[in-house]
Amino acid sequence: EAGVVQSPRYKIIEKKQPVAFWCNPISGHNTLYWYRQNLGQGPELLIRYENEEAVDDSQLPKDRFSAERLKGVDSTLKIQPAELGDSAVYLCASNQGGGETEAFFGQGTRLTVV
Amino acid sequence: GQNIDQPTEMTATEGAIVQINCTYQTSGFNGLFWYQQHAGEAPTFLSYNVLDGLEEKGRFSSFLSRSKGYSYLLLKELQMKDSASYLCAVPSGGYNKLIFGAGTRLAVHP
Repeated sequence: EAGVVQSPRYKIIEKKQPVAFWCNPISGHNTLYWYRQNLGQGPELLIRYENEEAVDDSQLPKDRFSAERLKGVDSTLKIQPAELGDSAVYLCASNQGGGETEAFFGQGTRLTVV
Repeated sequence: GQNIDQPTEMTATEGAIVQINCTYQTSGFNGLFWYQQHAGEAPTFLSYNVLDGLEEKGRFSSFLSRSKGYSYLLLKELQMKDSASYLCAVPSGGYNKLIFGAGTRLAVHP
């Protein structure tokens, strides 16, 4: 069974430019998460989806970040415009939701803003 | 809210045993997870404890004391490939939102 797939693996952009990340969760997983992980830190939740509904986006900087999961499967996370402080690894994770289930993570997108 | 503390770095020798501690403060307890993360890779699930006591899974064991807000991950017969970051995490807001500690970076030396 394929795991959580993310693309691209790496992205380097200049500040003020837009960038988008894509995630394909494990088949059948209703819950999808976007996390941001700064160097030397643990992942921090940005947004959680239950199917196509964003149920927790309290940590998402809404002035520049947006996310969507239109059909309740794949998801995209966008930053526009990017700032130097956005350099981090953006991790997507999924699980079946509804209980004490572990989250399965993708390999992440390492973003460098120069 | 939640607060999780782990040591930043640890070193150990190949073949030895190492214990990685985690203390947490949480407004409601729904279990505790341990994840392993190799550099540049995704976090991968190691264990989940919801009841007090020790759970053993091969070379790795995880312990939980809910009354003390304390957990540890025990790694036996260390191998070089165990060099990684170990992340302690607790669910928040029910079960579907994990709050992670900063992670403990373990270096295993020959």
